[in-house]
Amino acid sequence: DARVTQTPRHKVTEMGQEVTMRCQPILGHNTVFWYRQTMMQGLELLAYFRNRAPLDDSGMPKDRFSAEMPDATLATLKIQPSEPRDSAVYFCASGLASSGVRETQYFGPGTRLLVL
Amino acid sequence: AQKITQTQPGMFVQEKEAVTLDCTYDTSDPSYGLFWYKQPSSGEMIFLIYQGSYDQQNATEGRYSLNFQKARKSANLVISASQLGDSAMYFCAMREARYNQGGKLIFGQGTELSVKP
Repeated sequence: DARVTQTPRHKVTEMGQEVTMRCQPILGHNTVFWYRQTMMQGLELLAYFRNRAPLDDSGMPKDRFSAEMPDATLATLKIQPSEPRDSAVYFCASGLASSGVRETQYFGPGTRLLVL
Repeated sequence: AQKITQTQPGMFVQEKEAVTLDCTYDTSDPSYGLFWYKQPSSGEMIFLIYQGSYDQQNATEGRYSLNFQKARKSANLVISASQLGDSAMYFCAMREARYNQGGKLIFGQGTELSVKP
């Protein structure tokens, strides 16, 4: 049963600390998405990659957030320095771009981040 | 302007009854896809059903069906024979072909469904 995996599942940190979230997409998928979910804003797209190349990161605060795909099996989202307003659930999703408009995104379990 | 509108923040349904969750969308792109996801209290996002703008028939997946009315730009999710495990938040989402390069999905705000025993 292929799934997107994310680590850590929960993270509590203090303001100013660096946070790194990791995602392993489903094997064979070539698009990876990072979302943030909060009660106030709902689901927001932060960044996405196709074939490891970043296509759009316009949803990310550039001064503190960065997203990378060091290889096809690993995507990372970093926050440095973290702030209390970054507290949210961060989801990674993967898909197969060749499906065209039908491409389904499969979500990981999320990382619940709390910045004190 | 909102691309995806889910007007029902919360809904209740009696177990074993059918329920319809509303979703309207806004696009000028003739080619698009519509998706529904379920998010139970555990937090994961679960894909339920897909409808393409050119699909001739309404999509069905088990107890889920999509009432697709293209002219009205609505894509309502119908859950038949509700079960207690259907209690969750439900999100409608859309992908427009113009954004196909990135596969970007636009999500609605969600509808919280509660199934009563």
